[in-house]
Amino acid sequence: AQTVTQSQPEMSVQEAETVTLSCTYDTSESNYYLFWYKQPPSRQMILVIRQEAYKQQNATENRFSVNFQKAAKSFSLKISDSQLGDTAMYFCAFMNYQLIWGAGTKLIIKP
Amino acid sequence: EAQVTQNPRYLITVTGKKLTVTCSQNMNHEYMSWYRQDPGLGLRQIYYSMNVEVTDKGDVPEGYKVSRKEKRNFPLILESPSPNQTSLYFCASSRAALAGKLFFGSGTQLSVL
Repeated sequence: AQTVTQSQPEMSVQEAETVTLSCTYDTSESNYYLFWYKQPPSRQMILVIRQEAYKQQNATENRFSVNFQKAAKSFSLKISDSQLGDTAMYFCAFMNYQLIWGAGTKLIIKP
Repeated sequence: EAQVTQNPRYLITVTGKKLTVTCSQNMNHEYMSWYRQDPGLGLRQIYYSMNVEVTDKGDVPEGYKVSRKEKRNFPLILESPSPNQTSLYFCASSRAALAGKLFFGSGTQLSVL
């Protein structure tokens, strides 16, 4: 069965610091997508970044970047220059035909 | 505006009273799916649909039904709700199953008393 594991239930950092959220997954598939979603208190699911498994280059979106290690089945999210608005639940997700989610990491950015 | 519209946003009901949560997308997406979100468990897929008239069970389909008669609509039906179905529900769609980007509805908070 495909699984996604986020080992950090909660993290907190000071504003402007860099933080890394970890995610590991298990699959026998070779073609898939990986995502990080942000869920602020509004409950809306917001796509932060996505990575195609066939691409070796790590995806980046402004202050957000990933470290994708396909052989190790690892997909961590790095947030640089963290801002108060980054406070949210962050979910890692794996997708081929089904979307499998991690349990989430609660990230708190302190002023 | 491209969006997934989910209604209602909040719903309180009693055990056994049939209910439907609607989901509609205006992007001509083929793939649609339903998830429930529970604390500490993340999101779990209930059902998904690759196209009209094609639906498949996800990880937690028990107690739910879906239908996909039209491309834009994918309602979630609870024939006889029970308290363990109290949860936050999300509908989502994408261009295709492996298109890589899901668009989410705003969520429905369901409480079954």
